Amino acid sequence: DAGVIQSPRHEVTEMGQEVTLRCKPISGHDYLFWYRQTMMRGLELLIYFNNNVPIDDSGMPEDRFSAKMPNASFSTLKIQPSEPRDSAVYFCASSLKWSGQAGAQVLNEQFFGPGTRLTVL
Amino acid sequence: AQTVTQSQPEMSVQEAETVTLSCTYDTSENNYYLFWYKQPPSRQMILVIRQEAYKQQNATENRFSVNFQKAAKSFSLKISDSQLGDTAMYFCAFMKGNNDMRFGAGTRLTVKP
Repeated sequence: DAGVIQSPRHEVTEMGQEVTLRCKPISGHDYLFWYRQTMMRGLELLIYFNNNVPIDDSGMPEDRFSAKMPNASFSTLKIQPSEPRDSAVYFCASSLKWSGQAGAQVLNEQFFGPGTRLTVL
Repeated sequence: AQTVTQSQPEMSVQEAETVTLSCTYDTSENNYYLFWYKQPPSRQMILVIRQEAYKQQNATENRFSVNFQKAAKSFSLKISDSQLGDTAMYFCAFMKGNNDMRFGAGTRLTVKP
């Protein structure tokens, strides 16, 4: 498997523009996570999905941020309008939460994509 | 709310030596999971090691081992025989069963030749 794929790897845009970040999770994984990493706030969970359904979006900073997962192999994180303080590295991660048989299940870790470095001027 | 504290912003170690990175966390949960992730300059987040809170035995992965002290809510990472490729940011992470993962601020480790 190619791992979690994110695009673009780098994005530079001007304040007020719409930005769309894309993620393809590992095939078969049923959880997908969006994180934001900044020097000031470290790694923050923005939102996560289970079986394409948003479970917890309490980390989404503002209404300018929205995320969708139309199918099991694709998710987007959109910022509209973008602001300079949105500049950060955005990570997508996926996991298959449990593996193994009932009674002997193992919690699987989250696999991270390479991240998208967003710069809003 | 769960918090994860890494009190060492930066550390350095000589190649082939041993280094220990500290992590403490705060939770009222009894069942949870702890992780150490490595982020090299490439920015890729890589899982180093994980520990289930219900297991008393400390996890070990080759040169990496943890000292898990549940009562003290401490989860330190020991890297033995440090290699230049171990140079990276190391993040301690806490996760409940609901997949809500919280990361510490990270420790920047430099391995010197």
